[in-house]
Amino acid sequence: AQRVTQPEKLLSVFKGAPVELKCNYSYSGSPELFWYVQYSRQRLQLLLRHISRESIKGFTADLNKGETSFHLKKPFAQEEDSAMYYCALSHNNAGNMLTFGGGTRLMVKP
Amino acid sequence: DVKVTQSSRYLVKRTGEKVFLECVQDMDHENMFWYRQDPGLGLRLIYFSYDVKMKEKGDIPEGYSVSREKKERFSLILESASTNQTSMYLCASSLPGRSEQFFGPGTRLTVL
Repeated sequence: AQRVTQPEKLLSVFKGAPVELKCNYSYSGSPELFWYVQYSRQRLQLLLRHISRESIKGFTADLNKGETSFHLKKPFAQEEDSAMYYCALSHNNAGNMLTFGGGTRLMVKP
Repeated sequence: DVKVTQSSRYLVKRTGEKVFLECVQDMDHENMFWYRQDPGLGLRLIYFSYDVKMKEKGDIPEGYSVSREKKERFSLILESASTNQTSMYLCASSLPGRSEQFFGPGTRLTVL
């Protein structure tokens, strides 16, 4: 069965420090992975997806199939990065359902 | 921009009441989803629909039902609300074959 694990519920860093939000998954097929973000009082929105290999707002994430991980990284955290982050795995079935991890709250302190 | 709207931001109901949560999207998406969002548990899929009048159970369908009479509208129904259904409910939509989902603002339901 598919499963997404985010081991940290809360991650607190100082502004300018590097950030790594961990995500591990289990899936028998070929995975498609995403990071979603929810800023305070805003709706959940897509941050990035692994297939596009892009950097959004300075964040990157690399899919490591050997370690079944998709960690989100940013070299220098900003206060505006404070938010709830969810890692998600697509089932690639007809409905393209997503399985979400439990989420990590990132707090960037000044 | 895709717009997904939900009928209420906050809702307070009593145990045993029948509760309707409405979701409307304006981008002609075939797929629609209902999740509940709880701290530490992330988002859990309750039901989804890939076409009008079609529905599939998600991971936690017990105590819920859904209705999709029109493409743009997907309703979540709590037949007899219970206190353990106090949660944030999120609606989402997507195009067929596409994994990116667009979310509504959420409805925070409190069952007393």
